[in-house]
Amino acid sequence: GAGVSQSPRYKVAKRGQDVALRCDPISGHVSLFWYQQALGQGPEFLTYFQNEAQLDKSGLPSDRFFAERPEGSVSTLKIQRTQQEDSAVYLCASSFVGGWRTDTQYFGPGTRLTVL
Amino acid sequence: KQEVTQIPAALSVPEGENLVLNCSFTDSAIYNLQWFRQDPGKGLTSLLLIQSSQREQTSGRLNASLDKSSGRSTLYIAASQPGDSATYLCAADESYQGGSEKLVFGKGTKLTVNP
Repeated sequence: GAGVSQSPRYKVAKRGQDVALRCDPISGHVSLFWYQQALGQGPEFLTYFQNEAQLDKSGLPSDRFFAERPEGSVSTLKIQRTQQEDSAVYLCASSFVGGWRTDTQYFGPGTRLTVL
Repeated sequence: KQEVTQIPAALSVPEGENLVLNCSFTDSAIYNLQWFRQDPGKGLTSLLLIQSSQREQTSGRLNASLDKSSGRSTLYIAASQPGDSATYLCAADESYQGGSEKLVFGKGTKLTVNP
């Protein structure tokens, strides 16, 4: 069906607020990735799901960041007690089958988070 | 740990010119290298994926090459057009024991093609 969608597209939060960012992957895609892209930088890996299992969370910058994918489709990235350094674009990507190294990742438009 | 570097950081060329974007990576034990395009305010669009067993991939006016031994890849754009203006990102995978393709990106090359 349609491509990867993310919501909201833009989010402004006051420092200390909690935020939740949503990703709807392409239907049937097994793998889901979250990346963080700071201004002028390339995306940096945050976490990876294969279906509902979170197989790699090594890129999450602190314990304030939490991601879930409870039913193996939609994923939510939650940031607690936001800080100014969390301001970035958060990109979600999905691919058809995890573990197949020839698989292209399809990216959503991203959520631009600004923490004041 | 995989590190990816892209040169130049920005490039401005007149329409019609052929150009080359460079990417280097530190860990040659990669399975794939991908080139993406990013337009302002948009997500990433995959352009080309080169498997480690391949040396190049072509799509239309784009040609990407891969030299694993030297840790380098190049993206060649023929007969550039104003619509090619975007940021081009190179990404190499960093293997994970589960086999997932975690991508490590360079900072990108911002290309401007002037009419």
